[in-house]
Order: sequence, then structure tokens, then C-alpha cells
Amino acid sequence: GENVGLHLPTLSVQEGDNSIINCAYSNSASDYFIWYKQESGKGPQFIIDIRSNMDKRQGQRVTVLLNKTVKHLSLQIAATQPGDSAVYFCADLTTGTASKLTFGTGTRLQVTL
Amino acid sequence: DAMVIQNPRYQVTQFGKPVTLSCSQTLNHNVMYWYQQKSSQAPKLLFHYYDKDFNNEADTPDNFQSRRPNTSFCFLDIRSPGLGDAAMYLCATSGMENFGYEQYFGPGTRLTVT
Repeated sequence: GENVGLHLPTLSVQEGDNSIINCAYSNSASDYFIWYKQESGKGPQFIIDIRSNMDKRQGQRVTVLLNKTVKHLSLQIAATQPGDSAVYFCADLTTGTASKLTFGTGTRLQVTL
Repeated sequence: DAMVIQNPRYQVTQFGKPVTLSCSQTLNHNVMYWYQQKSSQAPKLLFHYYDKDFNNEADTPDNFQSRRPNTSFCFLDIRSPGLGDAAMYLCATSGMENFGYEQYFGPGTRLTVT
């Protein structure tokens, strides 16, 4: 079936460095791609999204890149902070009467001091 | 603050003993979702309500049921919990102001089956 998956299960980054988390997807019909952050013991928190007809979107300290040719999505976090330590999930979303999210395997980001 | 609330945060039940998890929202969203998240895995959609219309995912076991008595509340019933049902259960909502697009998650209920 369709799936959204991540390349790396764990990423260690030094505080202040930039982080890049990658994701591969297979559902070409997705309308949006979304990145979620999940801290320990909490529900996923929306970070940033990108519509399928875009290739880049920037937020505060975060940038999402979408390469539809190779079905690849990435999340870049600038100047990574200890508070960025969490599991990050990419998800593809199909819209309709109700939106439906399909999550990929998470990447754990560990920020070292 | 408008939010999604889940009670209890931790629930212990015995093998085969029915259990109900609850979710409430103050966002006045018309769509409510239930996800199951097992340790170190991604959330998996079980079902959702669009207003009063129930939409079950094809691979959700019959053991899992849901009720939505009004806009604000939604319940997840596990009729006969097995050891494999131990997981975090996440409730989420979305509203049509974003075309049902952005989902807001509650903190989850961690279910232990003994």
C-alpha cells in the first residue's frame, strides 16, 4: 500500500547547528505534506506544511523542501536548540470531507550541548 | 485556551475487561479522530467522525468502537482488550475553517493491559 517513510531513525546534532530530517513518500496523490513534532508523553504538534504544488516553504527557523521528482521531503531546522529534541514525523494528507493523515516512521532528533 | 483534552492520561485495564477512553474539545471542530500509537511507531488512524457520521478504517479491529454523543465529546471503547492493544491513544480534531486540513492533537492516553 501507499506509505510514507523516513531514512534515519535517530539524528544527533550539536546545539546551534542546522538539522536536516528526510522523508520519502510514495503517494503521488497527496494534497499536502506536514511535519509534526512529538515530545515525550505528548501528542504530535504541527510544525509546518507544504502544499503539493510547492517546492519550498519557510517558517520560523524551519524550512520544508519538497522534491516531487524523487518523492522526497525534508525538514530543515536552523540553529537547533535543546528544545528541538523530539521525534519528528512526516505525514501526507489527503483532503476531502475530512482530512486524512498517513504518518511516516519517526526520526528522533537528539540535540547535544 | 481552546484545546483537546484526553482523560485519563494513564489507564490500566485487565486482559478482556472493557475500557473506555474519553476525549473532549473546546475548538468546536466538526471532525474528531482516534489514533493508536505503539511504542516507537507512528500514529495509526483507527476511525474518525465527521459530525455524527462515523468512518472506520478498513483495518481497524472490531474490538475497537467509538461514540460521539455531541460535538465536544468522543469516546473510544475497547470491548475486550488484549495485550497487543497496549499503546498510546491519541485524539485529534479538525475544523472546516481550514477545509478539514490541520489536525490538533490531545496529549494522549497511555493504556496498559495486564
